Amino acid sequence: AQSVTQPDIHITVSEGASLELRCNYSYGATPYLFWYVQSPGQGLQLLLKYFSGDTLVQGIKGFEAEFKRSQSSFNLRKPSVHWSDAAEYFCAVGSRSGGYNKLIFGAGTRLAVHP
Amino acid sequence: EPEVTQTPSHQVTQMGQEVILRCVPISNHLYFYWYRQILGQKVEFLVSFYNNEISEKSEIFDDQFSVERPDGSNFTLKIRSTKLEDSAMYFCASSPGTASNQPQHFGDGTRLSIL
Repeated sequence: AQSVTQPDIHITVSEGASLELRCNYSYGATPYLFWYVQSPGQGLQLLLKYFSGDTLVQGIKGFEAEFKRSQSSFNLRKPSVHWSDAAEYFCAVGSRSGGYNKLIFGAGTRLAVHP
Repeated sequence: EPEVTQTPSHQVTQMGQEVILRCVPISNHLYFYWYRQILGQKVEFLVSFYNNEISEKSEIFDDQFSVERPDGSNFTLKIRSTKLEDSAMYFCASSPGTASNQPQHFGDGTRLSIL
């Protein structure tokens, strides 16, 4: 069965430091992979997506993610974190069943940013 | 940028009562979804909807749940007789299609509290 694992429940970084959030997936075929961010009281905003092609994908707000098939990973990175990046981050895999997509989410990683 | 809008933002209901959560998907989107997130848990797929019928539903989406597109703009989730365990954040999402370059866009959610 398809699944997504985000090993880190909470991460704290200092403002200006680099960031890497881990995501591992289990999926039988080539996956569609996504990162969403959820600020308090807000919905889920798409940061970036991977479908095919270049394994390093760029997203909004200076984020990028790298798809590594051999490791079944899709880690999210940012070279320099800003205080406004404090939020919860969700990795998801798109599961195509009967031609219709549903998203399977990881448990999320809550990011805190110290000044 | 077009948004998915959900109302109300917070709904408090007595156990056993019916509740209807409302969503206005992005206007040119054809595929609609409901997800829920119980406090402290991961976002879970409930149901997908296309061409005025359910295309897929999860095991959570039992006979107490129903979805409807009553007119050209609204997409609703009804819970017929609410239970305490229905307390969660409910997210509506829409996408123009299910092709790989058409990710789902989420609303800000409705927080449902069952007393």
